[in-house]
Amino acid sequence: GDSVTQMEGPVTLSEEAFLTINCTYTATGYPSLFWYVQYPGEGLQLLLKATKADDKGSNKGFEATYRKETTSFHLEKGSVQVSDSAVYFCALNRGTGRRALTFGSGTRLQVQP
Amino acid sequence: DSGVTQTPKHLITATGQRVTLRCSPRSGDLSVYWYQQSLDQGLQFLIQYYNGEERAKGNILERFSAQQFPDLHSELNLSSLELGDSALYFCASSVGTSGAGTGELFFGEGSRLTVL
Repeated sequence: GDSVTQMEGPVTLSEEAFLTINCTYTATGYPSLFWYVQYPGEGLQLLLKATKADDKGSNKGFEATYRKETTSFHLEKGSVQVSDSAVYFCALNRGTGRRALTFGSGTRLQVQP
Repeated sequence: DSGVTQTPKHLITATGQRVTLRCSPRSGDLSVYWYQQSLDQGLQFLIQYYNGEERAKGNILERFSAQQFPDLHSELNLSSLELGDSALYFCASSVGTSGAGTGELFFGEGSRLTVL
C-alpha cells in the first residue's frame, strides 16, 4: 500500500539556518505530493504541493521538488525563522478513486533565536 | 482559522465507555474526513463522507462509526473504548469528493481523547 516516510524529529536549528526535512514515498502510479504544517494549537494547513514529476511547489519561502526517480519530496527553506517552529507533514494522494491523503509521521522543527 | 470546528477539544474518559466527537465543516464544504493521530503514528485515515453518504473507508475499527447529517456536520462515535484509543482525532473538510485529489483539505484543531 501507499506509505510516506519522514525523517525523525525534532529538528533543532538556529534562526537563519538552512532547513531540509526529508520525505520519501511508496506508491503505485503517479501520486500528488504535499507538505502540510501544524503550528502549535492549530490544525494542519496546506503548505505546498506538486502534482507531477519535476514540479516544484513553493510557499512562504519553503520549496519541495517532486523527484520520481528517487521517490522523494524533500522540504527546504534557505533561512528559517522562529515563527517556522511547527510540525511538518509530508503526504501523498494517488488521485482518481483515492480520496484520502496518506500522511507521514510528521517532523517537529524547533528554531531557536 | 480554517473554518472547521471540532468539539470537544479535550476529553478524558474510562475504558469501556462511549464518546462522540463532533465536526462542523467549512461553510459550503460537502466532504468530511476523519483522521486519527496516535503518539507513535502518523495521521491514519478513518473515513470520509460526502453530502451525507459514506465515500471511503480507511483503517476504522468496528467499534468506531461515523455519520454526516443533513446540515453537513459529522459525528465520530467511539465505543468500548480501550487505552490504545487515546489519540488526537482530526476532522477535515473539502468542497467535493475530488478535494483530496488536489490536496485542499482544511483541518480542524482536533479533539484530544484520553482513555484511562
